[in-house]
Amino acid sequence: EAQVTQNPRYLITVTGKKLTVTCSQNMNHEYMSWYRQDPGLGLRQIYYSMNVEVTDKGDVPEGYKVSRKEKRNFPLILESPSPNQTSLYFCASSLRGLGEKLFFGSGTQLSVL
Amino acid sequence: DAKTTQPPSMDCAEGRAANLPCNHSTISGNEYVYWYRQIHSQGPQYIIHGLKNNETNEMASLIITEDRKSSTLILPHATLRDTAVYYCIVRPNSGNTPLVFGKGTRLSVIA
Repeated sequence: EAQVTQNPRYLITVTGKKLTVTCSQNMNHEYMSWYRQDPGLGLRQIYYSMNVEVTDKGDVPEGYKVSRKEKRNFPLILESPSPNQTSLYFCASSLRGLGEKLFFGSGTQLSVL
Repeated sequence: DAKTTQPPSMDCAEGRAANLPCNHSTISGNEYVYWYRQIHSQGPQYIIHGLKNNETNEMASLIITEDRKSSTLILPHATLRDTAVYYCIVRPNSGNTPLVFGKGTRLSVIA
């Protein structure tokens, strides 16, 4: 089944403890992206990747890192999480870019205490 | 900022057509209209998109006015599972201008 898989679904951590949220897609998509969703602010793009080894900042990249070493994986790294990064995170992918249908993962609810 | 205006909420009886309006009066000639929906904190789901002609797929129909300043998403026979927040988005069909999800319309399908 074609899908975007995020893990974990829920994560509670403490300030400053490095964490990684994984994202994997099985559709051979070139484009992958991370969004965060906060009440009243909608979905905002954090980082995106047009292809392997090509990443770029979205609207809210501060405090996050990404890597794209393989086509299928696009992990989101929080080196030193802070409470303002408590949010619902979504990974998404599409065949080539945003002009095409975006497939979203099921989301990761992160709480930073 | 979102370039679209949608009503915050709508109700629809199960089995009836749900017509969700969207205003995009400042749309540019190269911008498409996209519709996504999000069911209770799940990942958004693509529904349909179009430029100026009406479009139909297995999920919905998209009607775009001739001046392209507004559009309507039609779910022909709404079911309880269609209860969701529906987002209307305009953006060019190329490049990486991010999808800007506004507040959307919360559609409640009622039995």
